[in-house]
Amino acid sequence: ETGVTQTPRHLVMGMTNKKSLKCEQHLGHNAMYWYKQSAKKPLELMFVYSLEERVENNSVPSRFSPECPNSSHLFLHLHTLQPEDSALYLCASSPVATNEKLFFGSGTQLSVL
Amino acid sequence: QKEVEQNSGPLSVPEGAIASLNCTYSDRGSQSFFWYRQYSGKSPELIMSIYSNGDKEDGRFTAQLNKASQYVSLLIRDSQPSDSATYLCAVIFGLLYNTDKLIFGTGTRLQVFP
Repeated sequence: ETGVTQTPRHLVMGMTNKKSLKCEQHLGHNAMYWYKQSAKKPLELMFVYSLEERVENNSVPSRFSPECPNSSHLFLHLHTLQPEDSALYLCASSPVATNEKLFFGSGTQLSVL
Repeated sequence: QKEVEQNSGPLSVPEGAIASLNCTYSDRGSQSFFWYRQYSGKSPELIMSIYSNGDKEDGRFTAQLNKASQYVSLLIRDSQPSDSATYLCAVIFGLLYNTDKLIFGTGTRLQVFP
């Protein structure tokens, strides 16, 4: 596989569920990101990892918990979400954590009921 | 004022015409500028980056940057229906935050009709 792959593509969960989003990059990049995309809003950066170390956490609620076990894999653990958390969650990678030249995965469309 | 501002559109142009997409930004210290294309139901894809004032051409795409006016644009020549997508402007902000931060606009939806 090449590029950035995300699973699942679609996820429906209740507010009491716990689920995880998975991202894997095959580009040899050192930085990985989680973004949230809601209708009519700009892409919002949630987390940045550089060589498995979290370098940015943009005041994201604790019900979103990231994990980066190595430079190729990134997870977003979800628990007790709210309906307003329904959005497209995009994973991205870049050669280094300078935010430049992001390569995005196909995203997970999340619906919270 | 929005940090990165774009007209949401839709911008409708006939096939073969030039599409002009505009973006303004609020951080005077910004040095890096990007255009991403996002097809409906797909993820954003980087199509252009520009760092210096003036024009940068890549095939049918030309990015234009004017730092004094805090303005960046994307021209698409000979527009094709396959160019129909949302175009996101993104700027790395350096002065307004402690660290460099990539800020996206909400995007302009382009429709190219045959």
